[in-house]
Amino acid sequence: ETGVTQTPRHLVMGMTNKKSLKCEQHLGHNAMYWYKQSAKKPLELMFVYSLEERVENNSVPSRFSPECPNSSHLFLHLHTLQPEDSALYLCASSQVLGVGGYTFGSGTRLTVV
Amino acid sequence: AQTVTQSQPEMSVQEAETVTLSCTYDTSESDYYLFWYKQPPSRQMILVIRQEAYKQQNATENRFSVNFQKAAKSFSLKISDSQLGDAAMYFCAYRSAFLNNNDMRFGAGTRLTVKP
Repeated sequence: ETGVTQTPRHLVMGMTNKKSLKCEQHLGHNAMYWYKQSAKKPLELMFVYSLEERVENNSVPSRFSPECPNSSHLFLHLHTLQPEDSALYLCASSQVLGVGGYTFGSGTRLTVV
Repeated sequence: AQTVTQSQPEMSVQEAETVTLSCTYDTSESDYYLFWYKQPPSRQMILVIRQEAYKQQNATENRFSVNFQKAAKSFSLKISDSQLGDAAMYFCAYRSAFLNNNDMRFGAGTRLTVKP
């Protein structure tokens, strides 16, 4: 499989649940990103990883916890979320950190109830 | 901080006609990249076209072309011979050319409808 793959496609969780979003890329890219896309708002950068090291955390609440075990996989662990966290979470990758365009996945539509 | 503004929340075009989507940005930097991304109902953001700020020539990709006005900080997207498959959200994006700059800034998007 090529490109950036995100699972699950949809997720409904309660505020006390713990869940994880998964992102996988088979492009040989070295940088990976998490973005949050809320209705009628610009995409918001959450986290950036380069060669498995976190290089940016954009003032994201601690209830979001990223993990990058290798350069092909990126996770976003979720716990005790709020209803306002409901959004589309997009993963992206680029060949090198800060260079060129990004390749995006199809996102996980998260609903917090 | 850099900001990207798309002033048209929605646009529509007749099939086979031409439409232009507007984008302006604010930056004090001289070297940067500009992008147009398309997000169809499948939700995947797809890169449509890219422009390097140091290039004076406007980028083109088949039916897609841009009008890059650096002094005016304007970066519009022209879609020629519109097709039904062009219907989607279109996002304009800015990224600094500094190597350690990780933040690609996006506009709020323009929803394009293509009428048969």
